[in-house]
Amino acid sequence: SQKIEQNSEALNIQEGKTATLTCNYTNYSPAYLQWYRQDPGRGPVFLLLIRENEKEKRKERLKVTFDTTLKQSLFHITASQPADSATYLCALPTSGSARQLTFGSGTQLTVLP
Amino acid sequence: DAGVIQSPRHEVTEMGQEVTLRCKPISGHDYLFWYRQTMMRGLELLIYFNNNVPIDDSGMPEDRFSAKMPNASFSTLKIQPSEPRDSAVYFCASSTMRSGGGPNNEQFFGPGTRLTVL
Repeated sequence: SQKIEQNSEALNIQEGKTATLTCNYTNYSPAYLQWYRQDPGRGPVFLLLIRENEKEKRKERLKVTFDTTLKQSLFHITASQPADSATYLCALPTSGSARQLTFGSGTQLTVLP
Repeated sequence: DAGVIQSPRHEVTEMGQEVTLRCKPISGHDYLFWYRQTMMRGLELLIYFNNNVPIDDSGMPEDRFSAKMPNASFSTLKIQPSEPRDSAVYFCASSTMRSGGGPNNEQFFGPGTRLTVL
């Protein structure tokens, strides 16, 4: 069955450094992959989508890569700031469904001042 | 637009009681999703609707859970009777495939309802 794994549950980095979060998936070939941000006490908020034919996508300080051979997506935040501290979730379309998403468990990022 | 609206934000109830969670999706969105989030299991899809019709309820844990969408602007998730293991944060999300409504296929989440069953 479709499985999504995100790297360590928590990641601490120093302000100004680049944060790199990993999303691995198995038993599936998704047409796209999404990244969401979730702050405590709030619902997830969509950040970026990358399609299977795209290797890389950027949005301001965010960069996402998608390697369909490795079945992996990397999510980078450059010049990280304490305000970037949150949980980041990757999501893939659920196998066999056009609209359902399956979410990873998330990685909690803390940017230390 | 006010975004997805959920009520109540917090609910504390005793085991055996009926719980009803409410959701108002973003106007014009034709898909509505109910999720449950726990530390152990993460974010799980319970059920989703398209144009007010339930499409997939395979994520509903058992018959104690039911969901309805009587019109395009309102949905409920009911748990009866509630049990302590139902304690979680329940999210409602909406999306659309209509032209101009979401080229990224993103889902818009509400603030969630934190349910505690004692």
